[in-house]
Amino acid sequence: NAGVTQTPKFQVLKTGQSMTLQCAQDMNHEYMSWYRQDPGMGLRLIHYSVGAGITDQGEVPNGYNVSRSTTEDFPLRLLSAAPSQTSVYFCASSYLVDTWRNIQYFGAGTRLSVL
Amino acid sequence: EDKVVQSPLSLVVHEGDTVTLNCSYEVTNFRSLLWYKQEKKAPTFLFMLTSSGIEKKSGRLSSILDKKELFSILNITATQTGDSAIYLCAGEDSGGYNKLIFGAGTRLAVHP
Repeated sequence: NAGVTQTPKFQVLKTGQSMTLQCAQDMNHEYMSWYRQDPGMGLRLIHYSVGAGITDQGEVPNGYNVSRSTTEDFPLRLLSAAPSQTSVYFCASSYLVDTWRNIQYFGAGTRLSVL
Repeated sequence: EDKVVQSPLSLVVHEGDTVTLNCSYEVTNFRSLLWYKQEKKAPTFLFMLTSSGIEKKSGRLSSILDKKELFSILNITATQTGDSAIYLCAGEDSGGYNKLIFGAGTRLAVHP
């Protein structure tokens, strides 16, 4: 059972470089999200999607773009990396249990360093 | 502004001890409270609590929610070194997306 797969696991960027963090899920979940986790701050929502073709901003969207062309994939793009984007990034997918309970399943994370 | 506060931020115990982790929340369209365990990688789901006073149990872990006082506790009895992890609490906001608002986590270290 693959679940939620994130690639790469580690990445080092220079300031100003761009890159895409990949996220794929094989559970046919409607909802997908991107979070960042910084020390002492828990997980903060960057962007989310409630289905293919539908995305919206979370708590900390600046500097990040997303798209959702298929149910399975939800890539996160950094257009011009900044040191403040050094963090661990988690992708999550979820579905509604009993039409209303939303339990999120997380990928293993991508550790990103921006120099 | 929605927020979830966990305490303590870190805790060191010895195997066999019982621990209680605290989570208080202020979430505008509150629907449920979730607990996750995070070892080295992905957070894994433990409990979802929606009703006050009903304890959820899974082995040595249990949790309860108080919707009047806006808090939840996670208890771990007879701790083992495998319980060492960060425990995350999250409040679910039912407005729109059902987003989760996470606390900063409690880092638990269980020593032999």
